[in-house]
Amino acid sequence: NAGVTQTPKFQVLKTGQSMTLQCAQDMNHNSMYWYRQDPGMGLRLIYYSASEGTTDKGEVPNGYNVSRLNKREFSLRLESAAPSQTSVYFCASSEAPISTDTQYFGPGTRLTVL
Amino acid sequence: GNSVTQMEGPVTLSEEAFLTINCTYTATGYPSLFWYVQYPGEGLQLLLKATKADDKGSNKGFEATYRKETTSFHLEKGSVQVSDSAVYFCALSYSGGYQKVTFGTGTKLQVIP
Repeated sequence: NAGVTQTPKFQVLKTGQSMTLQCAQDMNHNSMYWYRQDPGMGLRLIYYSASEGTTDKGEVPNGYNVSRLNKREFSLRLESAAPSQTSVYFCASSEAPISTDTQYFGPGTRLTVL
Repeated sequence: GNSVTQMEGPVTLSEEAFLTINCTYTATGYPSLFWYVQYPGEGLQLLLKATKADDKGSNKGFEATYRKETTSFHLEKGSVQVSDSAVYFCALSYSGGYQKVTFGTGTKLQVIP
């Protein structure tokens, strides 16, 4: 049982390049989330998928797109990377989109945009 | 809006010392409250949670009580170990079509032998 997996672990991009961050969970969870973590700012929600087939914007969606490929997989795409997108990105999942649920996090992707 | 305020770190303690990390929140209604821990190079993992007022969450010797009257959820441990060195995040959560989680900025704890 791997939990939440993310690829890649590290990535360096040049400004204007594109890339997709992959996330998969094997816990049969309905809800999935993408966060970014920046120093002194905690975690901020980029996009979420409350259930398979749905996606919606979170707190900081500009410059990103997502795809909920199936119940297991939720990818995050940067179409034209900018230095302001240098961050650590975490994918998370939970069984249901309710306040009491625990979120399970992947190990993160550390992205640097030059 | 909702917010979570944690004490600033880093916090440095000697092994076996008593730990308190303060967390206060601003929210309407009745959120659930969480403490997550992040070890170096890893993602966050749940440490404990409390889903209603006066509930006490506990795990691995850590405890926190949901205090609605003081809007607080302070994390405590009676005797810390070197292995407790990590960053601790306080968070509150609402339901609203999805699980809306507001995280604090994190408190780094370093325990020295």
